[in-house]
Amino acid sequence: KQEVTQIPAALSVPEGENLVLNCSFTDSAIYNLQWFRQDPGKGLTSLLLIQSSQREQTSGRLNASLDKSSGRSTLYIAASQPGDSATYLCAVTVGGGADGLTFGKGTHLIIQP
Amino acid sequence: EAGVTQSPTHLIKTRGQQATLRCSPISGHTSVYWYQQALGLGLQFLLWYDEGEERNRGNFPPRFSGRQFPNYSSELNVNALELEDSALYLCASTARRTGELFFGEGSRLTVL
Repeated sequence: KQEVTQIPAALSVPEGENLVLNCSFTDSAIYNLQWFRQDPGKGLTSLLLIQSSQREQTSGRLNASLDKSSGRSTLYIAASQPGDSATYLCAVTVGGGADGLTFGKGTHLIIQP
Repeated sequence: EAGVTQSPTHLIKTRGQQATLRCSPISGHTSVYWYQQALGLGLQFLLWYDEGEERNRGNFPPRFSGRQFPNYSSELNVNALELEDSALYLCASTARRTGELFFGEGSRLTVL
């Protein structure tokens, strides 16, 4: 059974810092990996999608990497801003979509002004 | 282009009642997933519908059911509500080509 772990569970940093969020998964036979952002009481916003054949994806100040063989992904946020404060979720899917996404419990990020 | 839309935004029920939640996927998406996000428990997979058929369900009792309509919209029904069913219920639709999931804003169900 696929399990996804995110470290750290919570992180508080001053504005302007670069930071890295970590995600690990137990079964490397994934179809893709997605990073999401969730604001309190809201739905999930897709940030980046990495297909299993890809090594990284970039969108603005965000960069996500994938190392399938070691079961790891990182989300790099450059020049953090208070508006980046949210919970960041990592999720993986196995091919065929049968179980949808398996989610980690998230990293709760606070950017201090 | 409209995103995934869910209704109602909030719903308050009492134990034993039934709740119905609705979801409209992004235009062109034929797959719909339902997830439950209970406080402190993370997101749990509930149901997957594709092309009008239930394709898979998570580890939830039969009280949780649903269907997908010919226009690919979906509804989730929860019968005999229990206090622990209080949660945010999230619907997602997927782009078949990439497998990327797009989520709605959720329906907050409170069971008193």
